[in-house]
Amino acid sequence: EPEVTQTPSHQVTQMGQEVILRCVPISNHLYFYWYRQILGQKVEFLVSFYNNEISEKSEIFDDQFSVERPDGSNFTLKIRSTKLEDSAMYFCASSEASTSGLAYEQYFGPGTRLTVT
Amino acid sequence: AQSVTQLDSQVPVFEEAPVELRCNYSSSVSVYLFWYVQYPNQGLQLLLKYLSGSTLVKGINGFEAEFNKSQTSFHLRKPSVHISDTAEYFCASISGGYNKLIFGAGTRLAVHP
Repeated sequence: EPEVTQTPSHQVTQMGQEVILRCVPISNHLYFYWYRQILGQKVEFLVSFYNNEISEKSEIFDDQFSVERPDGSNFTLKIRSTKLEDSAMYFCASSEASTSGLAYEQYFGPGTRLTVT
Repeated sequence: AQSVTQLDSQVPVFEEAPVELRCNYSSSVSVYLFWYVQYPNQGLQLLLKYLSGSTLVKGINGFEAEFNKSQTSFHLRKPSVHISDTAEYFCASISGGYNKLIFGAGTRLAVHP
């Protein structure tokens, strides 16, 4: 069964450093997402990406964040200058596009735990 | 604004007992509803979804949920739980023409022998 994969599983970085979290979505999916879950809190939407551009982003997704699909398979989240409060589990997800253009069922990867020290 | 409320943060239950995890949503437009399960140290797995049609939806692992528009609820049920059902359960919704998932705070289901 196809699945979303994420690397690394755990990333430790120092405050102010740049990190890149990587995801390989399911191959025939067209919508890509990043979510995060701070320890003990709910899962929060960060950004959605379709047709090589951001389709929606949350207030959390400020100028420190960026996403990219550098090739036909990878989808990355970059945090330019990490802060302590960026410590969280980051989930990548992907979904097909429905005939109406609205994607429904999102498949999640196992997550990358980011620890900023 | 769209929101999802899970009324119970923790639900302890004995093995083979029935369980109901409650979820209420807030949306003035058409809504699509989902239940995801997160096992310890793992990602989110889709249990079931309501998009349209029958209000009773069945998912994996013997779970089912009922969409109730008048009560704006989408409660998750299982008639007989197993130890292996111990996990965090998240209710989520999509609405308003966007495709971002809005999650509830989660309910930790603890199944005891």
